[in-house]
Amino acid sequence: DSGVTQTPKHLITATGQRVTLRCSPRSGDLSVYWYQQSLDQGLQFLIQYYNGEERAKGNILERFSAQQFPDLHSELNLSSLELGDSALYFCASSPTRQVSEQYFGPGTRLTVT
Amino acid sequence: QQQVKQSPQSLIVQKGGISIINCAYENTAFDYFPWYQQFPGKGPALLIAIRPDVSEKKEGRFTISFNKSAKQFSLHIMDSQPGDSATYFCAARASGNQFYFGTGTSLTVIP
Repeated sequence: DSGVTQTPKHLITATGQRVTLRCSPRSGDLSVYWYQQSLDQGLQFLIQYYNGEERAKGNILERFSAQQFPDLHSELNLSSLELGDSALYFCASSPTRQVSEQYFGPGTRLTVT
Repeated sequence: QQQVKQSPQSLIVQKGGISIINCAYENTAFDYFPWYQQFPGKGPALLIAIRPDVSEKKEGRFTISFNKSAKQFSLHIMDSQPGDSATYFCAARASGNQFYFGTGTSLTVIP
């Protein structure tokens, strides 16, 4: 158990809808990272937050947004969902601003029908 | 464009054998190269990592070999066990604090 929690575990929704994925980092970790894992693309970095501020941005679509709250938990918002957004979404955390060792959560499996 | 290319896509090894997974990269600014192990239904977990100023790092049965001039690095699993059956990802860190992952290798160790 990495100490990173993600909810929900599974999510099924329809195209055009909006969902929110939640992540609680390990106790004491200030950085949170979001990744998308799909069969054809592998693990793709989406975005990083450090102590409430956006730190790095990867291949995140404009339809997606994230934030980190004062208690350090983070939410990833996905809107106007398309079939291609179906994937596993992982959150990871690390104690520092520069990532070395990341601890991944169990993921949220999103299915868009 | 895949920043880190990983091969093979899948690998079957007999128990006790050596499993070898290879990765290649182009960006010479990458400064940290971890390997992750992922079991079904779980998130990736850091297995072992190396920095480019070191040519080899060993932790138990797991060894990373790093060839800076060839821009390649590999994971060797010695005395492979059925419990090692998992998907393995190589990754590389860019200066912008972003990780680029390989596409993964599904390893099956046959008893």
